Amino acid sequence: GAGVSQSPSNKVTEKGKDVELRCDPISGHTALYWYRQSLGQGLEFLIYFQGNSAPDKSGLPSDRFSAERTGGSVSTLTIQRTQQEDSAVYLCASSLSSAGGLSNEQFFGPGTRLTVL
Amino acid sequence: AQSVTQLDSQVPVFEEAPVELRCNYSSSVSVYLFWYVQYPNQGLQLLLKYLSGSTLVKGINGFEAEFNKSQTSFHLRKPSVHISDTAEYFCAVSSSGGSYIPTFGRGTSLIVHP
Repeated sequence: GAGVSQSPSNKVTEKGKDVELRCDPISGHTALYWYRQSLGQGLEFLIYFQGNSAPDKSGLPSDRFSAERTGGSVSTLTIQRTQQEDSAVYLCASSLSSAGGLSNEQFFGPGTRLTVL
Repeated sequence: AQSVTQLDSQVPVFEEAPVELRCNYSSSVSVYLFWYVQYPNQGLQLLLKYLSGSTLVKGINGFEAEFNKSQTSFHLRKPSVHISDTAEYFCAVSSSGGSYIPTFGRGTSLIVHP
């Protein structure tokens, strides 16, 4: 595709329900990131995938959050037993891999706006 | 550990006026620096980045930023803004030493008035 796509664009759920958010990165991008953006806050890093390496999960706020990336492409972020504080915009980004740190541009999707009632 | 501080949460300005959005960072290692723009209901888009070399970096839409190592700053500037520049602007830093996880500032909302 032309860019990073995310689905759904909006998700309203009830407290306690599980949700799955999907990200399709740019073809050929081996690095994939999930971020959470709350109102008035910056981007909060959640998880990072690089190729077939074990993901960096250091940003996941609790064990209710998990993510996987199948075949080095599509990624799914799952939030179990959602809470009202999980309400936010969840952004996915992908980039080409680079040596010695992140020097390449991150390409962001439009985000999924999650509302937990 | 690294951190980013965007000193202004909101910057109102009139159309055709110059603007500066401030960004300061802290890091114990060499860094890469980025500015991203986010228009309403969209993802972030890269404006410019500093990796090495010339400290004055030019980006898209007439924006530029200057890396100042002694002041640990990377302020974004535009000599004459347009209504269409109204958006949220994020400064980000990543270490050049191997971490692939950037740190973002909280963002500055640029509001351009006619």
